[in-house]
Amino acid sequence: AQSVSQHNHHVILSEAASLELGCNYSYGGTVNLFWYVQYPGQHLQLLLKYFSGDPLVKGIKGFEAEFIKSKFSFNLRKPSVQWSDTAEYFCAVNAATNAGKSTFGDGTTLTVKP
Amino acid sequence: DVKVTQSSRYLVKRTGEKVFLECVQDMDHENMFWYRQDPGLGLRLIYFSYDVKMKEKGDIPEGYSVSREKKERFSLILESASTNQTSMYLCASSAFRDSTDTQYFGPGTRLTVL
Repeated sequence: AQSVSQHNHHVILSEAASLELGCNYSYGGTVNLFWYVQYPGQHLQLLLKYFSGDPLVKGIKGFEAEFIKSKFSFNLRKPSVQWSDTAEYFCAVNAATNAGKSTFGDGTTLTVKP
Repeated sequence: DVKVTQSSRYLVKRTGEKVFLECVQDMDHENMFWYRQDPGLGLRLIYFSYDVKMKEKGDIPEGYSVSREKKERFSLILESASTNQTSMYLCASSAFRDSTDTQYFGPGTRLTVL
């Protein structure tokens, strides 16, 4: 069975600080990886995903994530956060053999101080 | 744009009541999912469906059942609500039975069981 671990439950940053949210998964086979974001009062939505090719993927609003297969990691980064990035972030993994069923991490709440 | 709607944003029920949560998607997606979201626990999959009249158990199916009589509609049923089912319930859909597919989420139903 696959599992996902997000290292930080709550991160507080000032505007313009750099962000890195950790995500590690456990699964021995091929995976597809996702970051979803839930802004206050809004639906959960896709931020970015990796399924093949360049392990550095870029998403919306200046976010990027790097898949490091040897470390089973898919960390989310942004060089300079804004107050509007305040949200809850979820990492998710789909095993290639699991046909669309995702396993989500516990989530990280990011608070950006203006 | 994909639209996933849920019948209620807020719902208050009493212990022992039968509760129906409805979800409708308008993009002819094959897959539909029900999750519950609890603080610090992330999203946990209750049930999912890859086709009409088809259902599979997720990670926490106990106390729940589902129904998918039409492709666009997926219902979650609490046969006899209990206080430990107080939670945020999220419905999602994805296009195909493919592990690279993005899931699209509804706004959620916050259920309180008294």
